[in-house]
Amino acid sequence: SQELEQSPQSLIVQEGKNLTINCTSSKTLYGLYWYKQKYGEGLIFLMMLQKGGEEKSHEKITAKLDEKKQQSSLHITASQPSHAGIYLCGADLYNFNKFYFGSGTKLNVKP
Amino acid sequence: GAGVSQSPSNKVTEKGKDVELRCDPISGHTALYWYRQSLGQGLEFLIYFQGNSAPDKSGLPSDRFSAERTGGSVSTLTIQRTQQEDSAVYLCASSRTRDINNEQFFGPGTRLTVL
Repeated sequence: SQELEQSPQSLIVQEGKNLTINCTSSKTLYGLYWYKQKYGEGLIFLMMLQKGGEEKSHEKITAKLDEKKQQSSLHITASQPSHAGIYLCGADLYNFNKFYFGSGTKLNVKP
Repeated sequence: GAGVSQSPSNKVTEKGKDVELRCDPISGHTALYWYRQSLGQGLEFLIYFQGNSAPDKSGLPSDRFSAERTGGSVSTLTIQRTQQEDSAVYLCASSRTRDINNEQFFGPGTRLTVL
């Protein structure tokens, strides 16, 4: 959706490198969710952020929500081939009768 | 119990035919969502149910699309007079409630191909 802008659209990194994916909205993010989709498979929930300045980590993945609650970043440290897939941010915005997803970031990790 | 299930997993149909897609949410989940994912694209929100009620149907692409949910459980998405541009993966998700702090659990999707 145009309410959520994700960047970059695609990313190819060498195994072991760090990377960051961004998700930006012009509106307040009331709840920001990160999902991963492996090619041809369903979506897997990664993390959810709600409070301005919040940061969560799971294994080598860290997600942050900025103080203004309009931008989130997903950072992967020491990437591995298993991190490859499509990363999607989703959010509750101004209309709670809808749910918004970004267009996704396609990540490939070269061994 | 089991996760969200969808049927059929694949559907090939001819242009102009009607199709019905089914979603079985996780037991006890009151909120249910339908999305569409076209090739290489993100998720397009279609409709959300709280119980059996859909508060906002404006996300449905056209009046050929309709959805219902009965018994607070199973939901069906119906596409009438299918067109080639309807070809996509249709994903269903459910969550315990519609509160902000509830993640959505996704089904495997139904891949629809309209010839």
